[in-house]
Amino acid sequence: AQSVTQLGSHVSVSEGALVLLRCNYSSSVPPYLFWYVQYPNQGLQLLLKYTSAATLVKGINGFEAEFKKSETSFHLTKPSAHMSDAAEYFCAVTPVYNQGGKLIFGQGTELSVKP
Amino acid sequence: DAGVIQSPRHEVTEMGQEVTLRCKPISGHNSLFWYRQTMMRGLELLIYFNNNVPIDDSGMPEDRFSAKMPNASFSTLKIQPSEPRDSAVYFCASSNTGAPPYEQYFGPGTRLTVT
Repeated sequence: AQSVTQLGSHVSVSEGALVLLRCNYSSSVPPYLFWYVQYPNQGLQLLLKYTSAATLVKGINGFEAEFKKSETSFHLTKPSAHMSDAAEYFCAVTPVYNQGGKLIFGQGTELSVKP
Repeated sequence: DAGVIQSPRHEVTEMGQEVTLRCKPISGHNSLFWYRQTMMRGLELLIYFNNNVPIDDSGMPEDRFSAKMPNASFSTLKIQPSEPRDSAVYFCASSNTGAPPYEQYFGPGTRLTVT
């Protein structure tokens, strides 16, 4: 069965510092992978997605993620944090074969940005 | 292009009352998902439909919860009778399982408070 682990339920960085949110997946074959962001009192919004076309995926708001098969990881990064990046971030996975589109979500990482 | 539409956005009701949450998926999407989010349990998948047929309802908490999808453009989640522990934000999401990687698009959520 597939699973997703996000290391760290809370991450705090200073404004301008590097953001690194960790995600590891468990799957027998490389799946499709996603990062979602949830701002306070809003629904989840797709940040970026990995579809095997390229290992380095660029998303919205300056975020990117790198797929590393050897490490079964899909960590999210942003070179310079902004106050507006404060939100909860979810990593999600789905197998490449169709299962009705169900996604397996990680537990989420809350990102705080200090001035 | 309209996203996923949910109504109402906020619902306050008394214990024992029936509550109906509504969702209109993105046009052309053939899978629909109902989630519940609380501080204690995080994001939970309650049930999902593919081509209007319920595929997996193992996340539905108990018989007080029921969901229907009478057509491709409308779904309801009903709680009868409601209890204070049902207080949560309920999200609806949709995806197109004919188009990999099957990313889901979320609605803004319904914040339910049961007193």
